[in-house]
Amino acid sequence: QLRLQESGPGLVKPSETLSLTCTVSGGSISSSSYYWGWIRQPPGKGLDWIGSIYYSGNTYYNPSLKSRVTMSVDTSKNQFSLRLSSVTAADTALYFCARQLVNVVVPTVSDYWGQGTLVTVSS
Amino acid sequence: SYVLTQPPSVSVAPGKTARITCGGNNVGGKSVHWYQQKPGQAPVLVIYYDNVRPSGIPERFSGSNSGNTATLTISRVEAGDEADYYCQVWDSSGDHVIFGGGTKLSVL
Repeated sequence: QLRLQESGPGLVKPSETLSLTCTVSGGSISSSSYYWGWIRQPPGKGLDWIGSIYYSGNTYYNPSLKSRVTMSVDTSKNQFSLRLSSVTAADTALYFCARQLVNVVVPTVSDYWGQGTLVTVSS
Repeated sequence: SYVLTQPPSVSVAPGKTARITCGGNNVGGKSVHWYQQKPGQAPVLVIYYDNVRPSGIPERFSGSNSGNTATLTISRVEAGDEADYYCQVWDSSGDHVIFGGGTKLSVL
């Protein structure tokens, strides 16, 4: 059974960089059939896609966050990571990682999700 | 930027049929995916590629997509179906994932 687990600091100071890692177990992150994505959900609000990364390192980012987002993949550890710079209180959210099916060359549906990790931006 | 519009809330009595819409410009030309999210839990995929049910999802859940509206239909609604539902597409013009704003399904 595929499992995704987010990890990282639960509290980040304003203007600093948020860093999260998603560890994948029960399957290979190097599969050509999947992208690996980050989605966030501010408290009481809807889902907001952050970006997706392929095992080769190819990425797609939300245009509204693109200037602050960096995603990376470590196939040897079966992990992928998110860095979001210059955070503000508006970045406070529950952050999910997810597996995304590939259609042709782009990510589509998220079929497996991690349980999510709450990141609060506060001094 | 492409926008998906969902009604904020839908209410339905147990045993009846709930229909949750997802509107977007020519959304019928895109593949729509639907997620169910219960409080405190991660989203769960309930319909993908417009009308495909993942393994383990009851047949009561179905989807359709045509023109400017995609619809998630839940037949014989149960109390356990009470949740937030989100539609999602891939916007090829902008190369990014788009989520609808979500619909809270209340079972009366």
